[in-house]
Amino acid sequence: TQLLEQSPQFLSIQEGENLTVYCNSSSVFSSLQWYRQEPGEGPVLLVTVVTGGEVKKLKRLTFQFGDARKDSSLHITAAQPGDTGLYLCAGRGTYKYIFGTGTRLKVLA
Amino acid sequence: DTGVSQDPRHKITKRGQNVTFRCDPISEHNRLYWYRQTLGQGPEFLTYFQNEAQLEKSRLLSDRFSAERPKGSFSTLEIQRTEQGDSAMYLCASSLTSGKETQYFGPGTRLLVL
Repeated sequence: TQLLEQSPQFLSIQEGENLTVYCNSSSVFSSLQWYRQEPGEGPVLLVTVVTGGEVKKLKRLTFQFGDARKDSSLHITAAQPGDTGLYLCAGRGTYKYIFGTGTRLKVLA
Repeated sequence: DTGVSQDPRHKITKRGQNVTFRCDPISEHNRLYWYRQTLGQGPEFLTYFQNEAQLEKSRLLSDRFSAERPKGSFSTLEIQRTEQGDSAMYLCASSLTSGKETQYFGPGTRLLVL
């Protein structure tokens, strides 16, 4: 069974601080997606990474896919209150995605 | 294109009643997925269609659950004889079988069983 573990589960930080969220598995994924989800809404796609070692930047967010395509990280620089939400990673197996447990981030003004 | 849509957005029902949810995927997408998400957790896979064929069902999907995608476009998820444990957010996603095969999610249907 493929599992994805995210850490930390909860994170409360002050505006302007940096943070990193980790997504780890013992399984290899053909690609991995990061989503952000607001309460009562569906997940919104942030990025898809495909190649081992790939790094993608989206403004203050930096995403990295592990060399072995088993893990990924999301780094946020100078967090803002608007970054508050549930961050989910999802690894693609044969045809479906396995979701991580989620990291709930709260950025305080 | 307006993305994936789901209807209704919210549903409150009494235990034992049947409910049906609808998902309209992005028009050219041939794959459609249903997930269930409980509070504070990531989405859990329920079932998936490629065109009109239902190719896999999770063990989470009991006999009370049935999904269809009759013409390979919209899909319905029906829950019969609802139980309080069915209360959750039901999410639909669609993707195209090419390239990165990125999944795009709808806004979800939140079900509350009283």
